[in-house]
Amino acid sequence: EPEVTQTPSHQVTQMGQEVILRCVPISNHLYFYWYRQILGQKVEFLVSFYNNEISEKSEIFDDQFSVERPDGSNFTLKIRSTKLEDSAMYFCASSRTGQGSGANVLTFGAGSRLTVL
Amino acid sequence: GQSLEQPSEVTAVEGAIVQINCTYQTSGFYGLSWYQQHDGGAPTFLSYNALDGLEETGRFSSFLSRSDSYGYLLLQELQMKDSASYFCAVRDVGGSQGNLIFGKGTKLSVKP
Repeated sequence: EPEVTQTPSHQVTQMGQEVILRCVPISNHLYFYWYRQILGQKVEFLVSFYNNEISEKSEIFDDQFSVERPDGSNFTLKIRSTKLEDSAMYFCASSRTGQGSGANVLTFGAGSRLTVL
Repeated sequence: GQSLEQPSEVTAVEGAIVQINCTYQTSGFYGLSWYQQHDGGAPTFLSYNALDGLEETGRFSSFLSRSDSYGYLLLQELQMKDSASYFCAVRDVGGSQGNLIFGKGTKLSVKP
């Protein structure tokens, strides 16, 4: 079964450092997302991406965050200057479509756990 | 904006039936979805209701009442492996795509 793959599975970084989290969405999916989940809390929407540009972003996705699709397969989330409160599990997801019922069916990766010290 | 309310925890025994409720408030409505997340795992899609009524997928069923802004996930013949968090989700129609917004989740513990 096709899956979304994420790397690294766990990253520990110092406050103020830059972090890049990588994702390979399912190959025939056109819509890509980043969500985060602080330990024990709900899954929070960060950003959606379609046709090589950001479609929507939440208020969490401030200027320290950026996303990119540098080639035909990878989808990256960059956190420019990490803060303690950025510690969370970051999930990449993709969907075949962004409209209709298919937009409700997201396939998530296993997540990248970010720990900021 | 949108908000979703669901119980924080539910406990049940193996073989039992459990219902996890979800009430929502949205400025528009594009269906109610349910996701399962095991500890340390990724959310996985379970079901989706766009119209009123019951959708059945094996041991799991999901119900929607749009007039009541209410839905539930019904899990039958509970198994230990069903111990997980269950999230209801709606699309945020404030954006052009309507991105999926999750509730806080219900942690289901299945006891022997």
